[in-house]
Amino acid sequence: DAKTTQPNSMESNEEEPVHLPCNHSTISGTDYIHWYRQLPSQGPEYVIHGLTSNVNNRMASLAIAEDRKSSTLILHRATLRDAAVYYCILRDVVKNSGGSNYKLTFGKGTLLTVNP
Amino acid sequence: DVKVTQSSRYLVKRTGEKVFLECVQDMDHENMFWYRQDPGLGLRLIYFSYDVKMKEKGDIPEGYSVSREKKERFSLILESASTNQTSMYLCASSLVSGGYYTQYFGPGTRLTVL
Repeated sequence: DAKTTQPNSMESNEEEPVHLPCNHSTISGTDYIHWYRQLPSQGPEYVIHGLTSNVNNRMASLAIAEDRKSSTLILHRATLRDAAVYYCILRDVVKNSGGSNYKLTFGKGTLLTVNP
Repeated sequence: DVKVTQSSRYLVKRTGEKVFLECVQDMDHENMFWYRQDPGLGLRLIYFSYDVKMKEKGDIPEGYSVSREKKERFSLILESASTNQTSMYLCASSLVSGGYYTQYFGPGTRLTVL
């Protein structure tokens, strides 16, 4: 299974940028990097994904290292509503009689605290 | 908007009871998933299904079974509930597009087994 490593927790101040790191040294050439987050008392929600190039969307930016062994989720201006657990995930391949299928394995993620 | 709904937000059952947790998605997704989430352990995959009547074991399938008779519905069954199955249960469905996944989660069911 592809694995990722994230810090257990990080802290930020409101309206400052936040850089959430993730290491994935065993990533394969075709693996997408996914980021999800889980707000308190809610199910996880998709944030962003990328393959090789840096990606931007309305929620965040994803910076991917040239060797793809690490990536960084960037929240440009943290708000109190961004306080959540952030998960960095690679897909896992599941081989079955019909061929291959994929699943995402959620680790423990990084708990982001945002201070007012 | 994609919607994933779960039959109950809160459920209380007794040890030994048979428990059904229902999940319905409205976006014609092929893949559906059941997770449980416990403090300090994160999300753990119980079972998933990539097609009607198909199922795959996740990381912690023991004590659970699943049913997928229709594409939009994925049920998690606890044949004989035990106290160590007290947990938050999350259902998800996903769109597979190329090599990346977008999973959509339901609000969760907090199950307490007494």
